[in-house]
Amino acid sequence: DTEVTQTPKHLVMGMTNKKSLKCEQHMGHRAMYWYKQKAKKPPELMFVYSYEKLSINESVPSRFSPECPNSSLLNLHLHALQPEDSALYLCASRASGLDSYNEQFFGPGTRLTVL
Amino acid sequence: DAKTTQPPSMDCAEGRAANLPCNHSTISGNEYVYWYRQIHSQGPQYIIHGLKNNETNEMASLIITEDRKSSTLILPHATLRDTAVYYCTGNDYKLSFGAGTTVTVRA
Repeated sequence: DTEVTQTPKHLVMGMTNKKSLKCEQHMGHRAMYWYKQKAKKPPELMFVYSYEKLSINESVPSRFSPECPNSSLLNLHLHALQPEDSALYLCASRASGLDSYNEQFFGPGTRLTVL
Repeated sequence: DAKTTQPPSMDCAEGRAANLPCNHSTISGNEYVYWYRQIHSQGPQYIIHGLKNNETNEMASLIITEDRKSSTLILPHATLRDTAVYYCTGNDYKLSFGAGTTVTVRA
């Protein structure tokens, strides 16, 4: 299995809702990432987990809360989002931790719309 | 993080080679150059990476200048399926995507 899966593919939520995005990989990768991509813009890094520990938080607002329950699974919990948070949320994984040179494998993304 | 500069767009004829330039003058000595592409509405896809030497794989070739301030990605025989946004980035564990180059392959 050489892919990163993300669920759901599409999500519509109100500003008072609580929802979660899920990302899974079964390649034995030890680093996992969340990116946010607005239309016609490049992906922007949000969080990095290395060996199940949060290693990088790119000053993301607290209404986004990441979680890494185990080495195969990464969640992004959403609460009290704003319409400007509407974007494509991408998950990626990487074989090794932050001290080596491996490519990232990206999932297809979750298209989030906040009403 | 290395700052990268790429042309915003380029066209290429199907079957011809596509040469995509990238400037990364601020890259540090131990930073690899990575190339990814993103086909419309899909997640980015890794293409190739290199440090100093030229590299080739089944998808593309990467030519890095001796001073490492720039590189060129070569798609040897472009197909319509190569139409995508191509990103070069100068970091490894933490990808910092620039604006990328939108490549359109025309029949």
